[in-house]
Amino acid sequence: KAGVTQTPRYLIKTRGQQVTLSCSPISGHRSVSWYQQTPGQGLQFLFEYFSETQRNKGNFPGRFSGRQFSNSRSEMNVSTLELGDSALYLCASSLGGQTAYEQYFGPGTRLTVT
Amino acid sequence: AQSVTQPDIHITVSEGASLELRCNYSYGATPYLFWYVQSPGQGLQLLLKYFSGDTLVQGIKGFEAEFKRSQSSFNLRKPSVHWSDAAEYFCAVAPSGAGSYQLTFGKGTKLSVIP
Repeated sequence: KAGVTQTPRYLIKTRGQQVTLSCSPISGHRSVSWYQQTPGQGLQFLFEYFSETQRNKGNFPGRFSGRQFSNSRSEMNVSTLELGDSALYLCASSLGGQTAYEQYFGPGTRLTVT
Repeated sequence: AQSVTQPDIHITVSEGASLELRCNYSYGATPYLFWYVQSPGQGLQLLLKYFSGDTLVQGIKGFEAEFKRSQSSFNLRKPSVHWSDAAEYFCAVAPSGAGSYQLTFGKGTKLSVIP
């Protein structure tokens, strides 16, 4: 079974621009979570979607948004990019229910904001 | 709010030696507990998890972890380290039964292995 895929793997953007990252979960998984990883803050939870509904949201500004499609694929968008948004963005999928805690991570998208 | 502390930022061990990575959590009740491993340039891989029951949990790649409620700890162990175990290890918690599926991670412990 294919793992979680994230596209693109690398991105370079300029401050003020916006960016969209994509995540395809493992087949059959209905829950998708997003995390930001930086050297200073570590891994921080962004949001979680299940059946196209956002169930949980972390403590990030409104510039960070996401959505999930009927096929469980998810996108996250960051508007008005800031230098501090440079990070590895990780997507994780899970089946749902109690197994939603068992999250399987993709390789991440490395975003660099200049 | 829950938090996770991994006191050791970097640990170096010789190949074949035993390993213990420490993890302490702060949470009002017993959370769900996890260990993940991240190799350079990769995402995170789930090593093992604890929900309830037996406090000694077996995982993949020969790792095990022991939950100690009295110490709010969930330390990861391996009896004999292989060079391929060099990576960064993250302890994580999730609130049990709260319907919130977000993981709170520690800052990670980087493991180096000397041949």
